Amino acid sequence: GIQVEQSPPDLILQEGANSTLRCNFSDSVNNLQWFHQNPWGQLINLFYIPSGTKQNGRLSATTVATERYSLLYISSSQTTDSGVYFCAVTTDSWGKFQFGAGTQVVVTP
Amino acid sequence: GAVVSQHPSRVICKSGTSVKIECRSLDFQATTMFWYRQFPKQSLMLMATSNEGSKATYEQGVEKDKFLINHASLTLSTLTVTSAHPEDSSFYICSARDPTAELYYEQYFGPGTRLTVT
Repeated sequence: GIQVEQSPPDLILQEGANSTLRCNFSDSVNNLQWFHQNPWGQLINLFYIPSGTKQNGRLSATTVATERYSLLYISSSQTTDSGVYFCAVTTDSWGKFQFGAGTQVVVTP
Repeated sequence: GAVVSQHPSRVICKSGTSVKIECRSLDFQATTMFWYRQFPKQSLMLMATSNEGSKATYEQGVEKDKFLINHASLTLSTLTVTSAHPEDSSFYICSARDPTAELYYEQYFGPGTRLTVT
């Protein structure tokens, strides 16, 4: 099956800093989504981005499908950005997700 | 936007009993729903794919007789953990796809159910 690797595993940021999270995948995908899991466990959709670039406020994402990676940018980080960020991909017609291991982000005041 | 709910949000049960978890798509019809399990400090692992009106498809290593899935309508899928044991304690999360959506493969996740078996 497809392998999904996220880096770094942990990230500690000071409020206001910028950061880049990376997701590498080992095969072609028909979907890639970035999620933020909040402290209560809810997965929040950040981006649906199998290719291209999108921006939403302080967050943006880029997926280069031909090179099999995606990047999530967090700018001017805030304490509310803390949590685990997951990248998930699908390769089949059902849309079954394979999740990466996640990046634990802690933003300190 | 698309909303998926789960009930209950937390449940504590005794070893040997069964527990049912509901997953509902509130504002769209979901022909396909997915069930995931997440252990502490770990990622989500797909357990099964639930299709309306047909049998669920289980991932390798998931006991279908222990984790019963029923997708009885286009807005409701249920996961029943039968004869629960402490090792079944976990965070169970469902997701759903709206096949009519412009973003065909986009999935929406429920808030999760934390199961504790004592």
